[in-house]
Amino acid sequence: DAGVIQSPRHEVTEMGQEVTLRCKPISGHNSLFWYRQTMMRGLELLIYFNNNVPIDDSGMPEDRFSAKMPNASFSTLKIQPSEPRDSAVYFCASSQGGGSPLHFGNGTRLTVT
Amino acid sequence: AQSVTQPDIHITVSEGASLELRCNYSYGATPYLFWYVQSPGQGLQLLLKYFSGDTLVQGIKGFEAEFKRSQSSFNLRKPSVHWSDAAEYFCAVGTNAGNNRKLIWGLGTSLAVNP
Repeated sequence: DAGVIQSPRHEVTEMGQEVTLRCKPISGHNSLFWYRQTMMRGLELLIYFNNNVPIDDSGMPEDRFSAKMPNASFSTLKIQPSEPRDSAVYFCASSQGGGSPLHFGNGTRLTVT
Repeated sequence: AQSVTQPDIHITVSEGASLELRCNYSYGATPYLFWYVQSPGQGLQLLLKYFSGDTLVQGIKGFEAEFKRSQSSFNLRKPSVHWSDAAEYFCAVGTNAGNNRKLIWGLGTSLAVNP
């Protein structure tokens, strides 16, 4: 079991550029979550997919953020255009649904200058 | 509104000492409670969870937590801390066991362990 795999681990970009974060969930997990972690706000749920379908995107900050899950083994979170306030660690997590625990990836540390 | 409070931002203990990390929640019904641990540069890992039944739950790495409804608390404990326990600890409250997205997270407690 390779766990949840996120790429890249670190991303440094300039304001206005497009950023794409990638996630491969654990095989067999049917729920996928994108979180953002900052010192000030802690962990924030951005969006949640169940069986590849977005269920709740109310946590997505603004239209600059979008997420897709084209199949059960891949998801992307895109920010276009990026802004300095988007700097944070972005986590992807997957689970088998129900009350099963979340399995987190190691995160992508995004820095927007 | 539901909320989770971890009153201690940072705690330092000596190796071998006992540990208690506090977690208080605000929720009108019976909550579902979780503790996660985050090592530097890594994602969060589940330590233990409480859904129902025995209010004292055992987790991995020798941790336990006790749900006290009267105090709206779910404190994490370990009788003897190891240097490898130094990490960030997060308490979370779920409003529906079947709905992970409803997790409300505390801001975390950073644990340092002195040799």
